[in-house]
Amino acid sequence: NAGVTQTPKFRVLKTGQSMTLLCAQDMNHEYMYWYRQDPGMGLRLIHYSVGEGTTAKGEVPDGYNVSRLKKQNFLLGLESAAPSQTSVYFCASSYDRSQPQHFGDGTRLSIL
Amino acid sequence: RKEVEQDPGPFNVPEGATVAFNCTYSNSASQSFFWYRQDCRKEPKLLMSVYSSGNEDGRFTAQLNRASQYISLLIRDSKLSDSATYLCVVIIIPGGGADGLTFGKGTHLIIQP
Repeated sequence: NAGVTQTPKFRVLKTGQSMTLLCAQDMNHEYMYWYRQDPGMGLRLIHYSVGEGTTAKGEVPDGYNVSRLKKQNFLLGLESAAPSQTSVYFCASSYDRSQPQHFGDGTRLSIL
Repeated sequence: RKEVEQDPGPFNVPEGATVAFNCTYSNSASQSFFWYRQDCRKEPKLLMSVYSSGNEDGRFTAQLNRASQYISLLIRDSKLSDSATYLCVVIIIPGGGADGLTFGKGTHLIIQP
């Protein structure tokens, strides 16, 4: 019973490099979310999706792009990584917006 | 007033004690409420939903006070393993997308032996 799976678990990048974080869920959830969590800041929503083929901006979308080509996958891209994007990134999914979210175990990203 | 507020703590509580903390919300249209638990450097995990009539799950009791616009979490007979950060989630229904869906920043609980 995988739930929400994030890859990779850890990554170190140099400033200016690009990368994609993958989130996969096997619960047939419509909603998917990307958050970042920094010390003392709580969870901040980056982008979210309300269904296959849809994406929308959250609270802190700048510097990130997302895609939801398949219902089960939600990709988060960093086109040109910056040190300010050093963070722990969590993906989550839910059946709809009124239902609880289920989280992946996070990606720890360091930008040097 | 912030949409969702929690006392960040830390709450230092002796093992076996009862501890309670609240989460206040500003929008009276808020309809759906949850408590999550997050261990250090781990993902948030759903602890329990909060129902209008209040609900209990073992040592944990969640309550909703609509008049004063807060939800509460009470932990009885606290264990060392209860040490964690507790996040509340408040959702406004109806709404679109992620609008009106807010996580609190969490209350840090430390159970001391």
